[in-house]
Amino acid sequence: GAVVSQHPSRVICKSGTSVKIECRSLDFQATTMFWYRQFPKQSLMLMATSNEGSKATYEQGVEKDKFLINHASLTLSTLTVTSAHPEDSSFYICSAKPPTGLGEKLFFGSGTQLSVL
Amino acid sequence: DAKTTQPNSMESNEEEPVHLPCNHSTISGTDYIHWYRQLPSQGPEYVIHGLTSNVNNRMASLAIAEDRKSSTLILHRATLRDAAVYYCILRGGGADGLTFGKGTHLIIQP
Repeated sequence: GAVVSQHPSRVICKSGTSVKIECRSLDFQATTMFWYRQFPKQSLMLMATSNEGSKATYEQGVEKDKFLINHASLTLSTLTVTSAHPEDSSFYICSAKPPTGLGEKLFFGSGTQLSVL
Repeated sequence: DAKTTQPNSMESNEEEPVHLPCNHSTISGTDYIHWYRQLPSQGPEYVIHGLTSNVNNRMASLAIAEDRKSSTLILHRATLRDAAVYYCILRGGGADGLTFGKGTHLIIQP
């Protein structure tokens, strides 16, 4: 089946530094990818929709200057958490949408656990 | 997005069938019913989806009510590896991401 690879799986960083998370669709071209954030014991919250070759669309309350999204190719989207602070510690998950079909299933990465010290 | 309602948690025994209910009384005619599950510390995994007719795949079955206002995910023979949070999600035909509710935490007893 289709695979979405997310890297790194876990990262620990110091407060004030930036962290980049990569999301790759390995066997299909994804014009649209999604980024989610999940706090402990809570559900996934959509942060932004990433479209290849254009600016990402952010959900209300998500700071676009803090969470930089780049979708430069049909198989790669990146999320950069800039000037990370402890409150940014969370589980970040990407998802990729196959190019065809209505109501199609989405494929998810395995997630990145970010811990900001 | 139309809202879904699921029980917070359910418990079942290993090797027994599990029926996970979902209510979606405000579903629109073009909404697909999707089920995903999330194992601990992992990203969600697709389970099954359908529109009007019941659906079967190697993981599960999806029974959709005739009025489409509810559906049931059926795991025919639960194993310990099926312990996860199961999300019932409505999705239209557009390019939007999925809106996750709280899901049902399925506990499997050995």
